[in-house]
Amino acid sequence: DAKTTQPNSMESNEEEPVHLPCNHSTISGTDYIHWYRQLPSQGPEYVIHGLTSNVNNRMASLAIAEDRKSSTLILHRATLRDAAVYYCILRAYSGNTPLVFGKGTRLSVIA
Amino acid sequence: SAVISQKPSRDICQRGTSLTIQCQVDSQVTMMFWYRQQPGQSLTLIATANQGSEATYESGFVIDKFPISRPNLTFSTLTVSNMSPEDSSIYLCSVGDPRETQYFGPGTRLLVL
Repeated sequence: DAKTTQPNSMESNEEEPVHLPCNHSTISGTDYIHWYRQLPSQGPEYVIHGLTSNVNNRMASLAIAEDRKSSTLILHRATLRDAAVYYCILRAYSGNTPLVFGKGTRLSVIA
Repeated sequence: SAVISQKPSRDICQRGTSLTIQCQVDSQVTMMFWYRQQPGQSLTLIATANQGSEATYESGFVIDKFPISRPNLTFSTLTVSNMSPEDSSIYLCSVGDPRETQYFGPGTRLLVL
């Protein structure tokens, strides 16, 4: 799997938007960009994924650069419950390829 | 979606003993994965378990140390054998999804003394 680079940690104030960056300069044309997060004392959970176009769901938005070498996960209004480690992962198009985790970004949310 | 449960949720074991972790899924799935998360670290894939065939292990993990069973499409076990304190970790079961979402169990927290 291609490598991703994320900041080790970020901090946000509650109810403000958060932009979590991810660089993936060696992404291939068939790699999807996945975001998962791991809340304290829980297993990772799916957040969002995309290929080329920006994506929105009830949890977040994913903005993908035109050259696909970077992406940004956007939490529109951070809450204390969003404090977690966020992982940006590239995954080849296959439902049976296991996720390979990097170090992720630890997001702290301040009340 | 898939709901995954693991047993035990946590355990404290003596070195030299073995622990078997169970993973139960509420639906039939083709592939199951086992991960390890050492303290303060990210997740590392141990192996992929297909029903009816031998598990496929990642580099650094061997069957003698981490034997895996996959007797049917909803269940798998991971055994941590001849444990040492270095095996103290969270062990997570995961399943894939045809829509490319992967689901994770809550993890089994293991402390080896």
